[in-house]
Amino acid sequence: KAGVTQTPRYLIKTRGQQVTLSCSPISGHRSVSWYQQTPGQGLQFLFEYFSETQRNKGNFPGRFSGRQFSNSRSEMNVSTLELGDSALYLCASSTQGYSYNEQFFGPGTRLTVL
Amino acid sequence: KQEVTQIPAALSVPEGENLVLNCSFTDSAIYNLQWFRQDPGKGLTSLLLIQSSQREQTSGRLNASLDKSSGRSTLYIAASQPGDSATYLCAVAPNAGGTSYGKLTFGQGTILTVHP
Repeated sequence: KAGVTQTPRYLIKTRGQQVTLSCSPISGHRSVSWYQQTPGQGLQFLFEYFSETQRNKGNFPGRFSGRQFSNSRSEMNVSTLELGDSALYLCASSTQGYSYNEQFFGPGTRLTVL
Repeated sequence: KQEVTQIPAALSVPEGENLVLNCSFTDSAIYNLQWFRQDPGKGLTSLLLIQSSQREQTSGRLNASLDKSSGRSTLYIAASQPGDSATYLCAVAPNAGGTSYGKLTFGQGTILTVHP
């Protein structure tokens, strides 16, 4: 079974631009979660999607948004990029998104904002 | 609010040593605890998942224990090898009645270096 895939793997953007990241979950998994990892804050939960609906959201500004498609693939969008948005963005998939479902992580997208 | 702490922040050991990584959490209402490995610039690889009702899990040279009541978990690595060098992260899934969908709370990690 193929693992979680994320595209692109690396991105360089400038302040004020917007960016879209993509995540394809493991086949059969319907829940996708997104995390931001920075050296200062570590791994922080952004949001979770299941059946095209956002069910949970972390403490991030509205510039961070996401969506999920009917095939469970998910995209994350960051508008009006700031230098502090430079991070490794990880997505994880699970079957149902409940606490007892194990999460499997993708390789991440490294975003650099100049 | 759940807080997860990992000690030590960094550890450097010679090859062959047995070592222990520590993880503590403030809210014992967890469903499970997971240990991950992260190589530089890469994603997370799941090592062990312990359900709240379990005391320990083993996989090869790795053994993880969980004491939910005291809010502690340890990851024991036997006979360490240079290939074990990585950042080790623990994460807890809350027991929040099914409403905390997809959210794991992570510790800051322990950077392990095993030198030949």
